[in-house]
Amino acid sequence: AQKVTQAQTEISVVEKEDVTLDCVYETRDTTYYLFWYKQPPSGELVFLIRRNSFDEQNEISGRYSWNFQKSTSSFNFTITASQVVDSAVYVCALSEAQSGGCNYNLTFGKGTLLTVNP
Amino acid sequence: KAGVTQTPRYLIKTRGQQVTLSCSPISGHRSVSWYQQTPGQGLQFLFEYFSETQRNKGNFPGRFSGRQFSNSRSEMNVSTLELGDSALYLCASSLTGIGLSPLHFGNGTRLTVT
Repeated sequence: AQKVTQAQTEISVVEKEDVTLDCVYETRDTTYYLFWYKQPPSGELVFLIRRNSFDEQNEISGRYSWNFQKSTSSFNFTITASQVVDSAVYVCALSEAQSGGCNYNLTFGKGTLLTVNP
Repeated sequence: KAGVTQTPRYLIKTRGQQVTLSCSPISGHRSVSWYQQTPGQGLQFLFEYFSETQRNKGNFPGRFSGRQFSNSRSEMNVSTLELGDSALYLCASSLTGIGLSPLHFGNGTRLTVT
């Protein structure tokens, strides 16, 4: 069974601080996909990144960076120099193929509420 | 390009009733999936439709059902509503499906069961 744990329920920081959101996953498969989504107060989830299990290269996109480590089953997300507009719920997700190729299990973490105060 | 559109935005129903929610995906997206979001459980996958066929299914009772039309629009139906069905229901569309391509979410339908 697959599982996604976001141990941090809520994080509060002051603007310009760096913050890391943790995501730990469990899966028995060697082929899987990891995702991060952002859900601002307006409610609409927005895709941030997808990583497949064979690509452990870290990624940086502006102030956002992701650290994927298979050895610790973690896919952590860091926001550098946080801004008030970063305030949102951030959700980590794991997709694991079932037999047949087109069938997937999709599991979400419960999300981390990030509040960036001015 | 228009985003994913869900209607209605809000619904209030009483126990025992049934409800139908609608979702129009991004043009060209053949996969539509549905999710339930509650404060306690977070986001949970309900099911996915691809080219009018249910391709993946989460762990929800049979009261939750769906369908997809030839234009990729999808509906979700919940019968015999229970208080615990109160939640935000989100629809998402994607190019190739829930496992591989990013999901594009709608704003959701807030269902309240009294």
